[in-house]
Amino acid sequence: RKEVEQDPGPFNVPEGATVAFNCTYSNSASQSFFWYRQDCRKEPKLLMSVYSSGNEDGRFTAQLNRASQYISLLIRDSKLSDSATYLCVVNLVDKLIFGAGTRLAVHP
Amino acid sequence: NAGVTQTPKFRVLKTGQSMTLLCAQDMNHEYMYWYRQDPGMGLRLIHYSVGEGTTAKGEVPDGYNVSRLKKQNFLLGLESAAPSQTSVYFCASSRPTSGYNEQFFGPGTRLTVL
Repeated sequence: RKEVEQDPGPFNVPEGATVAFNCTYSNSASQSFFWYRQDCRKEPKLLMSVYSSGNEDGRFTAQLNRASQYISLLIRDSKLSDSATYLCVVNLVDKLIFGAGTRLAVHP
Repeated sequence: NAGVTQTPKFRVLKTGQSMTLLCAQDMNHEYMYWYRQDPGMGLRLIHYSVGEGTTAKGEVPDGYNVSRLKKQNFLLGLESAAPSQTSVYFCASSRPTSGYNEQFFGPGTRLTVL
């Protein structure tokens, strides 16, 4: 079983749609959680951290459920520029464990 | 600040050849990492370093060696390249803050082994 599992997609949505990505992790000792964004043929970049209380950054909302070992990312009012792969990431001591990513394609 | 840079950006090797990938960061970060990314696999940690002169194995270290002689540089070596090492290689760096560990990535090196 992979340590971090994501639906690979692709999610094809029209502009303005709301889309949600889910992620599960297997190690209950995971300390902190993140969503990274990776554009095609580019390096990953931090999108946002994920807290148990939930956090919001503009159109993006991240949630963490430690009991279920589940992380989510909600994108509202999708833009063409949101098209990318979204990586679910968990922190174990000095290392980050990456999911394989969920691909999002937003079309006009 | 250039952030994290990687050299070279592209390389084609023949099986059995050797090469070194260079990663440099100008953010004074203690921690540095080498990953490989393959389709459908996500990023997998090869080796990492928590400070100058120290290195440790990650998830997929076989066939690779690393050195961290200077704080700002982290080198990844392939002694005898194999086709299975065809991949995109990313270097990253971070501060050693407990719990929160944002990593900053270089642009990647695309390596093909024939």
